[in-house]
Formats: sequence, structure tokens, C-alpha cells
Amino acid sequence: GAVVSQHPSWVICKSGTSVKIECRSLDFQATTMFWYRQFPKQSLMLMATSNEGSKATYEQGVEKDKFLINHASLTLSTLTVTSAHPEDSSFYICSGQLAGEINEQFFGPGTRLTVL
Amino acid sequence: GDSVTQMEGPVTLSEEAFLTINCTYTATGYPSLFWYVQYPGEGLQLLLKATKADDKGSNKGFEATYRKETTSFHLEKGSVQVSDSAVYFCAAPSGANQAGTALIFGKGTTLSVSS
Repeated sequence: GAVVSQHPSWVICKSGTSVKIECRSLDFQATTMFWYRQFPKQSLMLMATSNEGSKATYEQGVEKDKFLINHASLTLSTLTVTSAHPEDSSFYICSGQLAGEINEQFFGPGTRLTVL
Repeated sequence: GDSVTQMEGPVTLSEEAFLTINCTYTATGYPSLFWYVQYPGEGLQLLLKATKADDKGSNKGFEATYRKETTSFHLEKGSVQVSDSAVYFCAAPSGANQAGTALIFGKGTTLSVSS
């Protein structure tokens, strides 16, 4: 199946700093990429949907100025957590969707962010 | 609105026991339905899917049948193994059944299988 990678797999940062997470589709072109957030022992919550070359669409309650998403190419999307705080500590997961594919998504392995 | 309701765990079974994890959904029309599995410390992997009513998805001994009359997509396996220990998520499109639509997930069911 299609493969999605994320980098880094885990990161620890100080409060107030910014962290960038990369999501790459390795063997397919992802017209649409999604970013999810998962708290311990909970389900995935959609943060935003991004289409290559256009602005991301954020879910209600997600601050677009805090979680900057860039989808510059069909194989790369980035999530930057700006001025991170301890409450931003979470597991961030991205997924990619093939062009024209209905619904099926391929997920990255996730990035564990810990803000001290 | 669209939603996915999944039985909550944890589910603890002995090896070779029968597994059922219930999942029901509310949606417009008959969307594709999915089961994803998350092993400890890893991301989600697609386990199986069904794209239309009455379809049966199957993989690795797991099965789920898309039943439109009960709006259900229950996951079953006849004989679980220790290696099946993971968290299982039922998922459906969050809106229109078309490309570019995100998924909504059930809360996840943790399965622990002991030898």
C-alpha cells in the first residue's frame, strides 16, 4: 500500500518555541493531506485539511495562527506549532489521500510532541 | 451530523477466543466504512474496508460486513492471537462520500490478548 512518513517521530521542546513536523507521501501523490491530533487513550481529532497549493481548512476550535499548515507539493505537507505550550503536547498524525480516491487515507506513523 | 459509535473497551481475551467489536454510524447515504488498527507506539494502518452496502471487508482473519439496515460495521475474528493486541478504530467519512473528505473515528477499542 501507499506509504506516508513523518519527521521527526518525536520531539521535545521548550515552551514558547516553534516546532515543524513534516509529512511526506513516499510513493504516491497526495492531492489532499489531513492533520489529526490524538490525546492519550483517545481517538483522532481532525485538525485541518490541506490541498496542494491552497490554504488549509481548519476545524472549528483549531487556531490557524498557532498551527500553520503548508502543502507546497503533492508529496509534502508541514505542520508548524508556533509558540508551543505544554497543552500542545500530543501525538500528531498526518494522512494522505490519492487524487480522486474516495475516502481511503494512508496514515503516517505519527509525531510525539512534548512541550516542557 | 455524521458520527461513528464504537463499543468501548478494553476488551481482554484469551488466545483463540472469538472477537466482536461493535460499530454503528450515522451518515448521509451509504458511505465507505473502514476499520483501522493502531499497534503500540505506531500510526494507524488500514485493516479492512467496505465501499458499499452488503459488502464484506476482510484481512488477516478479521471480517466486517456493511449492514445498511442496522447501519453497522461490526468487526469480528474467529480466533484471536496475542499479536492482535492493539487499538481498533472504526471510521467513516465526515461528510460527502467524495474525494477530499476527512474521516471521523470512533473512540477506539483496546484489545488485549493473553496466551
